[in-house]
Amino acid sequence: EVHLLESGGDLVQPGGSLRLSCAASGFTFSSYAMSWVRQAPGKGLEWVSAISDSGGSTHYADSVKGRFTISRDNSKNTLYLQMNSLRAEDTALYYCARAVTTRPEYWGQGTLVTVSS
Amino acid sequence: QSALTQPASVSGSPGQSITISCTGTSSDVGGYNYVSWYQQHPGKAPKLMIYDVSNRPSGVSNRFSGSKSGNTASLTISGLQAEDEADYYCSSYTSSSTQVFGTGTKVTVL
Repeated sequence: EVHLLESGGDLVQPGGSLRLSCAASGFTFSSYAMSWVRQAPGKGLEWVSAISDSGGSTHYADSVKGRFTISRDNSKNTLYLQMNSLRAEDTALYYCARAVTTRPEYWGQGTLVTVSS
Repeated sequence: QSALTQPASVSGSPGQSITISCTGTSSDVGGYNYVSWYQQHPGKAPKLMIYDVSNRPSGVSNRFSGSKSGNTASLTISGLQAEDEADYYCSSYTSSSTQVFGTGTKVTVL
């Protein structure tokens, strides 16, 4: 069974940084692309980023390009999202998802990021 | 990348069929057969219901079906059941090699 467990969400001040992690199990992690999707409180889904199975190809939404970096460690079955220069509008529940290219397939339960002073 | 356009809400009685539309552009919905649909119950993670316009993942009821015409994709739920009450989001691959979601539709079972 596919299992994805996000962690690292926290309250952070505007301009600050945070690194999210997603521990994967139940499938061969190194064989799948992975993605991050976020959902602001009471709002819709917003695709954030995706990374290929090898980590050699990455893609970002315009809203986070240049501030967020997606990466993965296939030896640890873990996906990461480094978030810098955080803004109030980055406040959201961040989901990790196993993907087919950029399309999310199986989702975790999410980790909450709050950007506020 | 602008969000795909969905109706805010759709409702139907048990047993009826409803259809949710998802309108994009030739750079996303119209340009690729890579439209997917997700169901999200309150407080839960989204669940993939349809991928590549009309394909159902294993375990998803055949009451759910998808189609596409031009820049508009559609999700049809037939034989509406109380458990189908949820938010539904479409999503599409884009010409920028990214993914874009729809604005979301709240389905109410009357």
